[in-house]
Amino acid sequence: GAVVSQHPSRVICKSGTSVKIECRSLDFQATTMFWYRQFPKKSLMLMATSNEGSKATYEQGVEKDKFLINHASLTLSTLTVTSAHPEDSSFYICSARSHGGYGYTFGSGTRLTVV
Amino acid sequence: AQRVTQPEKLLSVFKGAPVELKCNYSYSGSPELFWYVQYSRQRLQLLLRHISRESIKGFTADLNKGETSFHLKKPFAQEEDSAMYYCAPQSGNNRKLIWGLGTSLAVNP
Repeated sequence: GAVVSQHPSRVICKSGTSVKIECRSLDFQATTMFWYRQFPKKSLMLMATSNEGSKATYEQGVEKDKFLINHASLTLSTLTVTSAHPEDSSFYICSARSHGGYGYTFGSGTRLTVV
Repeated sequence: AQRVTQPEKLLSVFKGAPVELKCNYSYSGSPELFWYVQYSRQRLQLLLRHISRESIKGFTADLNKGETSFHLKKPFAQEEDSAMYYCAPQSGNNRKLIWGLGTSLAVNP
């Protein structure tokens, strides 16, 4: 079945630095990638939607200059958290969908801790 | 606004008992609805979608447009069904999912 590989699974970084999270679709072409953030005991919060080769569409309240999304190929999308702050500490999850596909394949998530 | 409600944060049943996880949605138009499951230490995965009307791992879900509900049911719960369950309607041109808060199902021996 479809697999999305997300790396790293955990990362600790210092305030002010940037962190890049990668999601790769291993056996299908991810025409659309969704990036989520999940707070403890809360539902998934959609941050942005990206279509391959296009600029990402950000949800209201999500800073596009802080959360940079690149979806340059059909198998790779990246989320870069720039100038990270402790309040950016969270669980980030990517989800990919192929063209015409109905299901969404999720990455295993990245636990980001900013100290 | 499009919204999905899963009224039960936690549902605890005994093995072999029937289980129903409730989901209500508010959505204009004809939504496509999904149930996703997350087992302990695993990633989210698709459980079933309403269009396919299939039964996965013994679970079924019927879309009731009159009640705007999409409850997930299983007649005999198993311990391995213990997981977090999310009901998610699909929305818009980008077909993004609208997420509920999820229901944690605990099946006790």
